[in-house]
Order: sequence, then C-alpha cells, then structure tokens
Amino acid sequence: DVKVTQSSRYLVKRTGEKVFLECVQDMDHENMFWYRQDPGLGLRLIYFSYDVKMKEKGDIPEGYSVSREKKERFSLILESASTNQTSMYLCASSFQREPYEQYFGPGTRLTVT
Amino acid sequence: AQSVTQLDSQVPVFEEAPVELRCNYSSSVSVYLFWYVQYPNQGLQLLLKYLSGSTLVKGINGFEAEFNKSQTSFHLRKPSVHISDTAEYFCAVQKNTGFQKLVFGTGTRLLVSP
Repeated sequence: DVKVTQSSRYLVKRTGEKVFLECVQDMDHENMFWYRQDPGLGLRLIYFSYDVKMKEKGDIPEGYSVSREKKERFSLILESASTNQTSMYLCASSFQREPYEQYFGPGTRLTVT
Repeated sequence: AQSVTQLDSQVPVFEEAPVELRCNYSSSVSVYLFWYVQYPNQGLQLLLKYLSGSTLVKGINGFEAEFNKSQTSFHLRKPSVHISDTAEYFCAVQKNTGFQKLVFGTGTRLLVSP
C-alpha cells in the first residue's frame, strides 16, 4: 500500500511564527506536491518537486517555501505565518510516468491565531 | 490552460437512490480525467480515472463515470448510494502530454440521508 504521511494532523501557531510541515512517502515517487484546500476553492497547488533539490512554483506560492533534501521527504515552510494561511494542507506524490496518479496524505489542519 | 467546473456544491440524496455528480472541463488538448473522494478528516483517495479507450470507466465502491468528449464532461454516477458514501468528491484534469499538474474542481459534497 502506498503511504504518504504528514507530520501533524492539527497544528496551531501564532502570527509571525515560522512553521514547518513535513511529508514523507514510501513509494519511491519522483514527484511530490503541496496543496492547500479551502471551502469553495477546491485544491490549489502551492509548490511541487520533481527531483531532490528541485522545485517549481504552483498557483499560489506567495508566503511559502519548500525543501526537498531527500527523495522521500518534502517540507513546506511558512516563513512568517499569517492568519490568511489558516487552511488544510495536503501533500501528494506520484511517479514520473503515465498516468501520473497522485497519492495523498491525510492532511494537516493549520490554524494561525 | 485547463479548467474544471463542478456546478453542484452540494447534492443531498436518500439512501439507495441513484446519484450523478457533474463535472465539465475545458482544454484545448487531450486530457486524463480523475475523480477523487475525500471522507471527513481524511486525505483524497482515487475513485477512478479515464486515460484512453472505453469511455465508461468503473471505479471503487460501485462508482462509474462516462467520458463524453463532445460535451467535455466526465460525470460520476452510482446506481444506489449508501450512508457511507457521504463525502466530498473532486473532479480533476491533466494534460496527457508529458508531466503536467492536476487541475481540480471546487468539489461536490454528497450528503446521503436515511
């Protein structure tokens, strides 16, 4: 079974704090993704990575950065958390071959107060 | 660029009734199509996918979807729903030429009541 795990299910942080969200996959997938999910907006891609140390901006990268030092691990970083970053964050991974099916983690619900 | 429209934000239905969740997409090139399901407090799980070939695609939990190229639609159907089907359903599209990102619709919440 493919497993994508995320470090926390629920997280509460204060405005201005630096926040790290960790994601680990065990399927040797080349691609990894970070999405945020908000009611009525669906899933929006923040960043993705197609190889170690490689990253590409998604649709809403502002206020976020990422790190991929190992193939199985992809971190999302909020340099200075703000209340408008309160959201559900979902990590996913996939192979670099058709059909590029993505496997999702359980999500981290982040609240910034 | 691709886009996905799920017109129904919420679909209430009684147990054992049939249901159809609508998905329309826009793309100037050929695409792959996916339906994902998200149960409460969980991540997304793949229900079914259309890559090529037969336009009727069967997935898990008794769901099926039909790809209609002329209508640019990929509606999801189930002939008889269960309470346990209560969840949010997302349609997604991806260009079928090389690696491309998934574009998701805004989701449809299916509410099954007894």
